[in-house]
Amino acid sequence: QLVVTQSPSASASLGASVKLTCILSSGHNNNAIAWHQQRPQKGPRYLMKVNSDGSHNKGDGIPDRFSGSSSGAERYLTISSLQSEDEADYYCQAWGSGIKVFGGGTKLTVL
Amino acid sequence: EVQLVESGGGLVQPGGSLRLSCAASGFTFSNYWMNWVRQAPGQGLEWLANLNERGSEIHYVDSLKGRFTISRDNAKNSLYLQMNSLRAEDTAVYYCTRSFDLWGQGTLVTVSS
Repeated sequence: QLVVTQSPSASASLGASVKLTCILSSGHNNNAIAWHQQRPQKGPRYLMKVNSDGSHNKGDGIPDRFSGSSSGAERYLTISSLQSEDEADYYCQAWGSGIKVFGGGTKLTVL
Repeated sequence: EVQLVESGGGLVQPGGSLRLSCAASGFTFSNYWMNWVRQAPGQGLEWLANLNERGSEIHYVDSLKGRFTISRDNAKNSLYLQMNSLRAEDTAVYYCTRSFDLWGQGTLVTVSS
C-alpha cells in the first residue's frame, strides 16, 4: 500500500535554504511525486513533478529558487534564498496504481 | 486564461445531497485526467476520485464507499462530483485539479443541521 510521509514542520531563516523531504513506503521507490504549495487561506499551487531519477518538471512561473531531487524512496524539495512568501504548507503527492495519495504536509516557517 | 472554477458548494443537512461542478477554460479539457480533492478545516489534502479523458476509467478513495460519483462532460468542459448521504465529516473545501498541475480555487461544503 502506497503511503507518503512528510515531517509536520520545518523552519529556516530568511535568505537561507531549506530541504523538505517526502518518503515513499516500501516497494514504491520508482514512483514519481509532485510538490504543491499552499499559502495561508489559499488553494494549492502545483510546484513540480519529481521523478525517481531526480529529474523534475516545474510548473509555469515557479522560480528557479525551487528545485527537486530524489534518492531511493525519498523525494526532496529544496527552496533557496528563502523569502517571506515561501511560508506555507507543502504537500507531497504520489501516483499509485489508479489512486493518488497525499502526504500530511510540511508547514514551513520562515524565521 | 487557463483556469478551473468550482461551484455548487453550500450548507446541506446530514443525509442530504449536493452536486459540485468544475468549469474548465483555456485548455483542451478532453485531453486530461481530472481529479477531486478535499481539505477539511485545519487538515491536509485528501484525494477523492479521478477519471480519464473520456470518463471510461474511474478511481475512488476507498473511504467514500460509493457515496460520491465523479463524472465529466467534455462538450461542456465540465467536471462534476455528485455527493450523496452527506455527513458532518464531509465538511471541507472541495478542489478540482487537472492532473494535479492546475488547481481551482475551491468550493466550501458545510454539512450541518
